[in-house]
Amino acid sequence: GAGVSQSPRYKVAKRGQDVALRCDPISGHVSLFWYQQALGQGPEFLTYFQNEAQLDKSGLPSDRFFAERPEGSVSTLKIQRTQQEDSAVYLCASSPDIYGYTFGSGTRLTVV
Amino acid sequence: DAKTTQPNSMESNEEEPVHLPCNHSTISGTDYIHWYRQLPSQGPEYVIHGLTSNVNNRMASLAIAEDRKSSTLILHRATLRDAAVYYCILRDHNTDKLIFGTGTRLQVFP
Repeated sequence: GAGVSQSPRYKVAKRGQDVALRCDPISGHVSLFWYQQALGQGPEFLTYFQNEAQLDKSGLPSDRFFAERPEGSVSTLKIQRTQQEDSAVYLCASSPDIYGYTFGSGTRLTVV
Repeated sequence: DAKTTQPNSMESNEEEPVHLPCNHSTISGTDYIHWYRQLPSQGPEYVIHGLTSNVNNRMASLAIAEDRKSSTLILHRATLRDAAVYYCILRDHNTDKLIFGTGTRLQVFP
């Protein structure tokens, strides 16, 4: 497809479970971003890749959060030992340059 | 990161123009002004961006004050599909991340 694809669309995890969220960016887009959006809030920056290099991970809330993009294309956001405060929509965006981002529809994570 | 201030919500009637204001009094000379919107259950969508001059595209117009301390997103004829949360964002040209605020929720009535 032409857009950013995220999977799964919805994820329910039991507290303490590990989860992995996938992002397929638009082909050829160098930059990839992860954001976390709590209910009623704007998206909050988590981390940024340029190709396979993670250039900024200042937004990751704890060491339970880990992101990778090993081949400079698909990215995975992993959350270990999930907690209820991790419940949110996780958004991925890609960009060919510094101007327009294209966002995916997000993965809604609910930790119970 | 420079901050923006937007009204929490605005209302409009269909087919009428909508002016969405944004204050950014701490903007620096290298900050670009970006607007995104987010429809329910979707990721944010790029609308428009500018630096100093007013900008027009097929979606909207962006009017930037001469001192750059404020800007206005203009939807020329609102439709029901324009109901969304609109985010005004400042982006330093040296960094690549967008810092979102809480945005303006636009309601459009038929």
